[in-house]
Amino acid sequence: NAGVTQTPKFQVLKTGQSMTLQCAQDMNHNSMYWYRQDPGMGLRLIYYSASEGTTDKGEVPNGYNVSRLNKREFSLRLESAAPSQTSVYFCASSDPTHQYFGPGTRLTVT
Amino acid sequence: GQQLNQSPQSMFIQEGEDVSMNCTSSSIFNTWLWYKQDPGEGPVLLIALYKAGELTSNGRLTAQFGITRKDSFLNISASIPSDVGIYFCAGQRVLNDYKLSFGAGTTVTVRA
Repeated sequence: NAGVTQTPKFQVLKTGQSMTLQCAQDMNHNSMYWYRQDPGMGLRLIYYSASEGTTDKGEVPNGYNVSRLNKREFSLRLESAAPSQTSVYFCASSDPTHQYFGPGTRLTVT
Repeated sequence: GQQLNQSPQSMFIQEGEDVSMNCTSSSIFNTWLWYKQDPGEGPVLLIALYKAGELTSNGRLTAQFGITRKDSFLNISASIPSDVGIYFCAGQRVLNDYKLSFGAGTTVTVRA
């Protein structure tokens, strides 16, 4: 099992550009999440999907959209990137006991 | 916003030392979790605690779920160089709601 995979690993965008971060899990989990990690702030929830076909806002959803394409895949889209969205983005999926994280995408917006 | 206060923010420790870090909250949590993040990787679960007062070990790691449900601590005994990383506490407030609140992390650096 690959667990949770994310692509790309690194990305540099110019302000105003758009992009989609991809996430997939092979553990048959219902719930999936997108977080951002900034220095000294831990992990903050952007959006989550409790099950296929549903998505909900987390703590910091502004500037992002998500799609739960199927049970395996949960993508995060930045429609018009801003320097404040420079961060490391983590996708996670969970079973009833805990969350499993992907390796992260390091995004820089210039 | 951030609901968990994690301390210390960072620590330098001598190899072989025991270290301790803790997490407190103004809210009650039903589950406490401790994760470790290695450089360039995602967080990995170390220990999960499900009952108030529970004390659980995983090798050299020991964690406790505070009796008030508002705090937890993690101890690392006899630290080694591979203990370097960022340790996060996380709490789950509502049963069957898998969303977590995270602390800001404790960065551990080991002096050989």
